[in-house]
Amino acid sequence: DAGVTQSPTHLIKTRGQQVTLRCSPKSGHDTVSWYQQALGQGPQFIFQYYEEEERQRGNFPDRFSGHQFPNYSSELNVNALLLGDSALYLCASSSLGGRRGTAPHFGNGTRLTVT
Amino acid sequence: RKEVEQDPGPFNVPEGATVAFNCTYSNSASQSFFWYRQDCRKEPKLLMSVYSSGNEDGRFTAQLNRASQYISLLIRDSKLSDSATYLCVVNQAGTALIFGKGTTLSVSS
Repeated sequence: DAGVTQSPTHLIKTRGQQVTLRCSPKSGHDTVSWYQQALGQGPQFIFQYYEEEERQRGNFPDRFSGHQFPNYSSELNVNALLLGDSALYLCASSSLGGRRGTAPHFGNGTRLTVT
Repeated sequence: RKEVEQDPGPFNVPEGATVAFNCTYSNSASQSFFWYRQDCRKEPKLLMSVYSSGNEDGRFTAQLNRASQYISLLIRDSKLSDSATYLCVVNQAGTALIFGKGTTLSVSS
């Protein structure tokens, strides 16, 4: 049973470019959330997708956008990259819309470096 | 006030020591509570959920005090392999996880 998978593992981009990160949730999970973790910080919530809709959004600019597909997989897109976007991007999946008590499972993350 | 606050750390302890981490949260509507463990440059992994009655898993004990909005994690008989960052996490039903900054534990021989 595959857990949460993310791709790519590492990515290097230059300022102003655009990037797409991908996530496949754990089997049986229908909700995907994305987090950004800067060095020395806890993960910060970007947004959550359920039933192909953005259900909740954190304090991130519109440069950050996402999508969820019918098979529950998800993409995170970041436009006009800034140096400050360099971070570990984590995808977490959970079941039944993230109902109370369900602890999300995380993928290995994508380490994005913006130069 | 930050939504989830943890002890600043780092905690440096010898093998066999008992160490306690504390965490406070600001949103009284929070319903679910967790401790995650994160190794260097790896993803967070669920250590344990935290229940009002308190719960224990081997050497690890978690406590929740809803009145004080306080969560704790106790690690007994520390092992070298316990060295990691411990993240306190809360959420309301069906919403995003809110993470603390994490507390780093270093266990030495």
